[in-house]
Amino acid sequence: DAGITQSPRYKITETGRQVTLMCHQTWSHSYMFWYRQDLGHGLRLIYYSAAADITDKGEVPDGYVVSRSKTENFPLTLESATRSQTSVYFCASNPRTPSYNEQFFGPGTRLTVL
Amino acid sequence: GQQVMQIPQYQHVQEGEDFTTYCNSSTTLSNIQWYKQRPGGHPVFLIQLVKSGEVKKQKRLTFQFGEAKKNSSLHITATQTTDVGTYFCAGPADRGSTLGRLYFGRGTQLTVWP
Repeated sequence: DAGITQSPRYKITETGRQVTLMCHQTWSHSYMFWYRQDLGHGLRLIYYSAAADITDKGEVPDGYVVSRSKTENFPLTLESATRSQTSVYFCASNPRTPSYNEQFFGPGTRLTVL
Repeated sequence: GQQVMQIPQYQHVQEGEDFTTYCNSSTTLSNIQWYKQRPGGHPVFLIQLVKSGEVKKQKRLTFQFGEAKKNSSLHITATQTTDVGTYFCAGPADRGSTLGRLYFGRGTQLTVWP
């Protein structure tokens, strides 16, 4: 039971390059989320998805693009990476049932933009 | 907009001392969740509180949900070095299109020195 996985775990890229962070969950949870975590800011929501083909912006969506063609995958793309996007990125999923609403987090991707 | 405020941001205690973190919401919450993130790790769900005035215990951890369902606290009795990490509270969104989303506090980073 793999649960929720993220790849790559570590990534170094250069300013202006496109980067895609992958997230995959094996539970068929309806909701999926992307957060970034920076010192002093806690967890900030970038984008989330209620189901396949349904996505919505969070607090800090600028510079990011998401898609969700399949329930189990929720990739996050940085179209043109900037140094301010250096961060730890967490993907999470949530079954969103009336009695079961916790979020399950992936291990994270540490992204450095040079 | 909906906000979840958490204090203190940092707490340093000697092993054996107690620790408390507080969470306040700008709106009434249907429930509140608590997560723990160990250094270098990802957030992990601890507990969910639903009822007004609810108190739940997990060994040395005591969780409370306020009578008005706008505040919550996590108290750790006799801290141990294994308690080190960042503790987050999170409340759910309460409006249509944002259902499924959680609003996280910024977290309280607990350091325990022996």
